[in-house]
Order: sequence, then structure tokens, then C-alpha cells
Amino acid sequence: AQSVTQLDSHVSVSEGTPVLLRCNYSSSYSPSLFWYVQHPNKGLQLLLKYTSAATLVKGINGFEAEFKKSETSFHLTKPSAHMSDAAEYFCVVSQSASKIIFGSGTRLSIRP
Amino acid sequence: DAGVIQSPRHEVTEMGQEVTLRCKPISGHNSLFWYRQTMMRGLELLIYFNNNVPIDDSGMPEDRFSAKMPNASFSTLKIQPSEPRDSAVYFCASSFGQTSSYEQYFGPGTRLTVT
Repeated sequence: AQSVTQLDSHVSVSEGTPVLLRCNYSSSYSPSLFWYVQHPNKGLQLLLKYTSAATLVKGINGFEAEFKKSETSFHLTKPSAHMSDAAEYFCVVSQSASKIIFGSGTRLSIRP
Repeated sequence: DAGVIQSPRHEVTEMGQEVTLRCKPISGHNSLFWYRQTMMRGLELLIYFNNNVPIDDSGMPEDRFSAKMPNASFSTLKIQPSEPRDSAVYFCASSFGQTSSYEQYFGPGTRLTVT
């Protein structure tokens, strides 16, 4: 069985400060892990993915995530938040094409 | 490429009516997914096609829902009869390949309101 838990439903940071969105997962096998972003009234867009290569994964728009097997975590970070980062972020775990589980989402707000 | 195309973008219908949502995947992609997003349940996978064949429809909520993929460039999700609890945003996504490592490309979604 697999599951994914996003530990914060809402994160608010000031522009220019670091962003940390937390994700824990469980999986019977070595999963693929993804972060997607959804801006209001838009579809989901891939930020980055982990597929058993390097544990530190770099994505678009300055985001990166580190796969930590011992902690079963895949947290998303960005050194400096921008107003355009305000959106909903989804952590996703997948063992196969149809066994894909989305987290409940974290809404990121950016304060000016 | 134009990305995944969905139509209509918004649909308002009355309870009991038939609703058909349409999706055109990215050219060359051989996997297609239909999702439903609601505040209460988040994102749920409804059905997955590979090479136009339904592989996993265990997420389809009930017999009122049906999906088809007559060719590689077109899929439909039909609800008949529709009910107010079907109100949600429905996303179509496509990917190349059928392993877990391939990312999915999402369409803009269809916002369905059933009154």
C-alpha cells in the first residue's frame, strides 16, 4: 500500500524568504515521487520528479526537493519566495501508472 | 504542441441530464487519465487508458460514469444521469509511457456544476 501526507494545509511566507513544504510518503516498493503546482483555475504543472536517481532533485522556478529514504520524506524547498509562487502544491507518490496517489495539497501564500 | 485540450471549460447542467466531457491528449502520448477534484476528496483518479484501452477503472464512482477512448487523440467522460454531487473539476492528463516514472501533463480542467 502507498500513501502520501502533506503535513501543512497552508503555509504563508514573506516574499524573499525561504519556502518549505513538507511531504511524507509510504510505499511498499521504490516509488516515483513528484511535486505538482496548481495555480488558481489552472491545471496541474510538474515542478520536479524523483525516480531513484539523484536524491536532490532540481525543478523549475528555483524549486528543489530532497528524497530521504530513512525519513520517508520528500520536502519541497525554495531559497527565496516570489509573489508568483502563490499556488496550491501537491506531493504525489506513484508505484505504477494507475497506482498514483495525490496528497491533499498545501496552499502557499506569499506576503508582500 | 498545444498541450492537453479539454472541452468545455465550464458546464452547468440540471440534475438528470447527460454530460459529456472531452479530452485531446498531447500527440504521441499513449497514456490518458481522467481525474476528479473536489474540496472534500481532493484529486481522485477515475480511469486510466493505455494505447486506447482502459486499464484501470476502479476509481469510477458508479455506473452513471463511463469513459471511452476511440482513438489516440480523443477521449470522453460521460455522466448519465448527472447528480448535484457530481459537481467538481474534471481533469484529463496524458503521458508518454506506462511506468510510474513518467510525468503527467494536465489539461486546464472542466468545471462541472449540476443544479
